[in-house]
Amino acid sequence: ILNVEQSPQSLHVQEGDSTNFTCSFPSSNFYALHWYRWETAKSPEALFVMTLNGDEKKKGRISATLNTKEGYSYLYIKGSQPEDSATYLCAFNTGTASKLTFGTGTRLQVTL
Amino acid sequence: EPEVTQTPSHQVTQMGQEVILRCVPISNHLYFYWYRQILGQKVEFLVSFYNNEISEKSEIFDDQFSVERPDGSNFTLKIRSTKLEDSAMYFCASSATRVGWYFGPGTRLTVL
Repeated sequence: ILNVEQSPQSLHVQEGDSTNFTCSFPSSNFYALHWYRWETAKSPEALFVMTLNGDEKKKGRISATLNTKEGYSYLYIKGSQPEDSATYLCAFNTGTASKLTFGTGTRLQVTL
Repeated sequence: EPEVTQTPSHQVTQMGQEVILRCVPISNHLYFYWYRQILGQKVEFLVSFYNNEISEKSEIFDDQFSVERPDGSNFTLKIRSTKLEDSAMYFCASSATRVGWYFGPGTRLTVL
């Protein structure tokens, strides 16, 4: 059974704070790790697709790292803004299957 | 930017009724998927579809479920006889390459 865990489940920060979340996944049969940002009533938006151990990706104030040997990925948000409030989902897939296996998500709320 | 669309956004039905959830994937994509999220749980894979046939399905996707691509643009999920436990948010996704998935905004199905 493939299991993806995310922590924390929810997070409440002040505007300007930097924050990070963790995604852990099985390190065997790894193919790719995906991060999505999901606002209520909208489509989950792809942030990053990461495939190589040691990969680091950045998109504006958001960045992510990947460790496939130990099976974890971190998502960082620098200087959080209220518009960053959303649920952040990670998902991974193996080379032998096309489906994504999702974590439970981290719900971020940023207040002024 | 191209996007995946889904209709309706919310469907309420009586237990035992048939429902059809509709999706319009991105036009040049070849891989199509349905996922669902029961409230408070993880997003779960249901089925993947490629080259006009199911390429993979989960144990959730039993005989009550079927998928179809009736024309060049729509991708539908049918539930023949809905149960209370089918109440969930159903997401359609499409992909050109199996690596980048684009999700629709979801259809919230409520079975009474």
